[in-house]
Amino acid sequence: GAGVSQSPRYKVAKRGQDVALRCDPISGHVSLFWYQQALGQGPEFLTYFQNEAQLDKSGLPSDRFFAERPEGSVSTLKIQRTQQEDSAVYLCASSLSSGTNTGELFFGEGSRLTVL
Amino acid sequence: TQLLEQSPQFLSIQEGENLTVYCNSSSVFSSLQWYRQEPGEGPVLLVTVVTGGEVKKLKRLTFQFGDARKDSSLHITAAQPGDTGLYLCAGSRGWGSARQLTFGSGTQLTVLP
Repeated sequence: GAGVSQSPRYKVAKRGQDVALRCDPISGHVSLFWYQQALGQGPEFLTYFQNEAQLDKSGLPSDRFFAERPEGSVSTLKIQRTQQEDSAVYLCASSLSSGTNTGELFFGEGSRLTVL
Repeated sequence: TQLLEQSPQFLSIQEGENLTVYCNSSSVFSSLQWYRQEPGEGPVLLVTVVTGGEVKKLKRLTFQFGDARKDSSLHITAAQPGDTGLYLCAGSRGWGSARQLTFGSGTQLTVLP
């Protein structure tokens, strides 16, 4: 597709359940980012991939969060044993990786996770 | 903790009024971007400023990067209801290093008809 696609758009989970959120970036974009956005706040960085390599995962809040991008295209963010504080919108963004650009990010519409 | 503080957090104005949104930090950024986000959507890039003191205009929007590259402002002239949204500044501390992009806390703008 022309833009970044995320699924599901909405997910309701019971506390303790595992969830998986999918991101399909813009074709040809080598960089992929996951952000967490609380209601009314700015996005908070979670993790970054360049192709299939996870170069930065410093923003993942706990070891319950895991992200992968095995073939350098589609990425999955997995949250194990969900907690209420995990409720947020999870945004995926992709970017052309270049030494001369300033890193414009193209965002998906996000996956809204609600943990009951 | 947000490294970039935006003010005001909320702003509600009448159509036709002017407004300014501020983005401040104690850190120096190599570049700063402004995004607008509408409900249920991801942020969309409006502009990137790179040079200290730089001013960029996008129709009724004027963006300025502080001389010390620690702060920025967004001025909207004659606001319209279509300008309603969450305005986010985002600073980069690495040239071509988007992974260092840090977002501000956001300004929720509502323009009433």
